[in-house]
Amino acid sequence: ETGVTQSPTHLIKTRGQQVTLRCSSQSGHNTVSWYQQALGQGPQFIFQYYREEENGRGNFPPRFSGLQFPNYSSELNVNALELDDSALYLCASQDKQVAVPDTQYFGPGTRLTVL
Amino acid sequence: GDSVTQMEGPVTLSEEAFLTINCTYTATGYPSLFWYVQYPGEGLQLLLKATKADDKGSNKGFEATYRKETTSFHLEKGSVQVSDSAVYFCALRIAGGYNKLIFGAGTRLAVHP
Repeated sequence: ETGVTQSPTHLIKTRGQQVTLRCSSQSGHNTVSWYQQALGQGPQFIFQYYREEENGRGNFPPRFSGLQFPNYSSELNVNALELDDSALYLCASQDKQVAVPDTQYFGPGTRLTVL
Repeated sequence: GDSVTQMEGPVTLSEEAFLTINCTYTATGYPSLFWYVQYPGEGLQLLLKATKADDKGSNKGFEATYRKETTSFHLEKGSVQVSDSAVYFCALRIAGGYNKLIFGAGTRLAVHP
């Protein structure tokens, strides 16, 4: 049990729609990262937020955007959904203040299906 | 660019067999190396890690040694159990900057009684 929760568990959308996925980080963790895991693949880094600002981004287009809130929750928004956006979306939180900054705690993920 | 390559699965073993899952990496800097495990229907759990060359990470009977000369971080376990059935991901993080993880494609392990 990592203390990181995500909602919803599953989601079905149609091409062109917009979606918002939510993550609640472990208490006290001021950094959250989002990953996309396509079926049969390893997770791919989307972006990271630190103290409510984006401080790193992977090779994902601008229609992938995020927000981080002071209460340790965050959102991943995807506009103009495409079929290839179908994947498991994982969030991971960490506390940059601890002595071992490498440990990221992952949530169970949201399975997004785009039809 | 930075990348991780894992042996393809599935790996199918009988209970109490020896496990090796190969992982090699390409990195421009001095990465930290990780193994994560994903059980069915769950997110990723950190299994073990090593932050510098020759370090050995270990947890729950699993071990991996950071080999800079061969750019490898192979996962081993002396005696697997049915409960070890899962997908295993090797990952790296480059020192400095933000804490971005680069994952391999994953290796599915199936252990039969």
